[in-house]
Amino acid sequence: GAGVSQSPSNKVTEKGKDVELRCDPISGHTALYWYRQRLGQGLEFLIYFQGNSAPDKSGLPSDRFSAERTGESVSTLTIQRTQQEDSAVYLCASSRNSERGYGYTFGSGTRLTVV
Amino acid sequence: AQSVTQLDSQVPVFEEAPVELRCNYSSSVSVYLFWYVQYPNQGLQLLLKYLSGSTLVKGINGFEAEFNKSQTSFHLRKPSVHISDTAEYFCAVLRYGGATNKLIFGTGTLLAVQP
Repeated sequence: GAGVSQSPSNKVTEKGKDVELRCDPISGHTALYWYRQRLGQGLEFLIYFQGNSAPDKSGLPSDRFSAERTGESVSTLTIQRTQQEDSAVYLCASSRNSERGYGYTFGSGTRLTVV
Repeated sequence: AQSVTQLDSQVPVFEEAPVELRCNYSSSVSVYLFWYVQYPNQGLQLLLKYLSGSTLVKGINGFEAEFNKSQTSFHLRKPSVHISDTAEYFCAVLRYGGATNKLIFGTGTLLAVQP
């Protein structure tokens, strides 16, 4: 597609439940990123995928968070046993690795609310 | 490690007045610099970027930024703001030449344009 697509756009879940967030990057973009944006705060890096290389997971806040990506396609971010502090907007972005200085294209995000 | 500092969390300004949003970064290696804008309830949009060459960079919507290597700054400016410029502005840094190219964001500055 023309842009980065994220689904669902909104998700309300009960504390303790698992959630799965999806990101469809722009076709041909080998790099994919997940960020978290808490209310009134900046973007917090979570995880980065580049082609078939091992992902950079240095930003994942706990072992309840995990992400998968197969090749250069869709990525899913999974949060297990959700907590109220997980409530945030989760943003996905993609980029062409050969143009690492050319900025990233962001999706509109998934707003997660844990009640 | 690299970091990005946006000293002003909120900048109120009257319509048609000039504005400067400050951004300072710390990095021991070469970097690319970006400004993103986030309008209310929308995703992030690239405003402008500095990769190399002229230190004065022009972006969309009449914004410009100047890269100052000695002061490690990348302040964003607009000579005359409009009500429609009300948004959150994020400065970001990408270190190049390393193993990963994750974008590190500042905490954002809310530009509030008043009539």
